[in-house]
Amino acid sequence: GAGVSQSPRYKVAKRGQDVALRCDPISGHVSLFWYQQALGQGPEFLTYFQNEAQLDKSGLPSDRFFAERPEGSVSTLKIQRTQQEDSAVYLCASSLGVSGGAGQPQHFGDGTRLSIL
Amino acid sequence: AQSVTQLGSHVSVSEGALVLLRCNYSSSVPPYLFWYVQYPNQGLQLLLKYTSAATLVKGINGFEAEFKKSETSFHLTKPSAHMSDAAEYFCAVRTGGGNKLTFGTGTQLKVEL
Repeated sequence: GAGVSQSPRYKVAKRGQDVALRCDPISGHVSLFWYQQALGQGPEFLTYFQNEAQLDKSGLPSDRFFAERPEGSVSTLKIQRTQQEDSAVYLCASSLGVSGGAGQPQHFGDGTRLSIL
Repeated sequence: AQSVTQLGSHVSVSEGALVLLRCNYSSSVPPYLFWYVQYPNQGLQLLLKYTSAATLVKGINGFEAEFKKSETSFHLTKPSAHMSDAAEYFCAVRTGGGNKLTFGTGTQLKVEL
């Protein structure tokens, strides 16, 4: 496929469990972003990678959230000891250029809908 | 800090009528502005972007937006609504030196027969 791929599409977990969400960006895209979208809201920035380097993690809500992109392609967002307030759609986006290329658009995946019981 | 405000969380139009979705931005530097559309259970799809090349920007599916610095606005329009336009629309801003997108709260567009 040519687009950004995210898995799983849906994830249900019990409070306190750890979860891992995967993102496969468009091939060759240098920049990768994670966003959190609560119900009825716009997406909110979590973190940004340029290749394997995590350049901005200012949006991560707590130290329970961790993201990595070890080889500069696939990325994983991990949430430890999940809480009910973590329930949201997690969107991944990728962009072609270095440093996000401010004028370059971000291409979004379909997201992972996380529900914490 | 850069931000966008979308006026009207819900907009309803008749099929064939003009679509106008409002977005105002706040930015201390020349902004890069985007409109995205989101269909149910899907990610965001880029409609159009403003990057200072031209104030009137044409996008996909017949949408366009005009950047007005004096009004700090970037409203989205379409001359004639189609049933398939029913979706949620997000305005977003990114500054020249930054990378992340800051989104508005979205406008749900309903198209009625």
